[in-house]
Formats: sequence, structure tokens, C-alpha cells
Amino acid sequence: GENVEQHPSTLSVQEGDSAVIKCTYSDSASNYFPWYKQELGKRPQLIIDIRSNVGEKKDQRIAVTLNKTAKHFSLHITETQPEDSAVYFCAAGDTGRRALTFGSGTRLQVQP
Amino acid sequence: DSGVTQTPKHLITATGQRVTLRCSPRSGDLSVYWYQQSLDQGLQFLIQYYNGEERAKGNILERFSAQQFPDLHSELNLSSLELGDSALYFCASSVGRGSLNTEAFFGQGTRLTVV
Repeated sequence: GENVEQHPSTLSVQEGDSAVIKCTYSDSASNYFPWYKQELGKRPQLIIDIRSNVGEKKDQRIAVTLNKTAKHFSLHITETQPEDSAVYFCAAGDTGRRALTFGSGTRLQVQP
Repeated sequence: DSGVTQTPKHLITATGQRVTLRCSPRSGDLSVYWYQQSLDQGLQFLIQYYNGEERAKGNILERFSAQQFPDLHSELNLSSLELGDSALYFCASSVGRGSLNTEAFFGQGTRLTVV
């Protein structure tokens, strides 16, 4: 089955700095890579996703890159704000066929 | 609001008991997934149903079972509960196989406390 590794487990940055979270996956059949943000006590919410036919995707301050050859993908958050503080999960899956496999999560803390 | 509804929101029960968690997926979604999140842990995949049939199993204990009904709602049954089963249980739904729209929407979770 799919195995997703996520690093770092915790990340502390100053407000305004950039944050990068990296994930690797094992199953070359995976073609869908979403990122979820989970605030304390709340549900995970999708913030951005990328499919294997795309190398990079941006949405305002958030971007995701995918390297299919190396089987890794990354989340980039620029100009971080205190409200970005949360746990971020990466995931990998096969379009509709099987459930997403999640990474272990990164706790991001943005210091004001 | 994601459109995925889970009940109850909170559940406190004693060891050895059995509980049922319920999930109503978003309208039109065929796939339902169950995940377990223990304190400060990641999301552990338990089981997936697609249009009433079991599609995939993850790290689901034999004491746990699930089903998806014709109206597509799903129930997760947890029996012979142990203290270590205390966790947040999430249900998620997506459109399912064959569709490009595979975003998984999560419910707000059921917090189970076993005492």
C-alpha cells in the first residue's frame, strides 16, 4: 500500500517568513496530492491540491510543487500570518479508487 | 460547513461497551471513508465504502466494523471498547471512482471518550 512521509513534524517561523513542508510517497500509481489544514479541535479542510499531470500550483500565498520522478511534493506558504498556525497534512491517493493516505502532520506555529 | 454530517459530536462510554457512529455524506458523494485521530496524532485510515460496497480496509481492528446503507449513509460500530479507542473519529466523503472530482470533505468528527 501507499506510504506517505511528512517532514518536519513541527515548524516555527516568524510572521512574514516562508514555511515549507515536504512529503514523499511510495506508490507510483498515486496521482492526486491534496494538502489539508486542521485547526485545533476542528475538521481537516482542503487548502490546495495537485494532480500528477501538473508540476506546480499556486493559490495566493500557498503553492504546491510535485516531483513525480522523485515521488515528493511540497507545500509552500509565503508571508505567513498568525492565522496560518495549524496542523498541516499532506496526502496521496489514486483518483477516486482508494482512500487518501495521510502523512503524519506538521504543526506550524507562526510567531507574531 | 462541508456538507458531511457526523453524529453524535461527543460520546462518553465505559470500557467493554459498544457504540455506533453515524455519517451522512455530502449529497451525491458515493465514497465514504472513516479515519481515526488519536490525541496529537495523524489521520489513520480505517475503512472505505463506495456505493454500498467495501472498497478498502486500513488499520481497522476486528472489534470495529462498518457498513454503508442504500441511502449512502454509513455507520462505524466499535465494540468491546478499550481506553485506547478514545479518539476523534472522522468521516469523509468524495464523489468516488471514475470522477476527477475527488476532493474529500470531512465531517466535524465524533469525539469518543472511553472511561
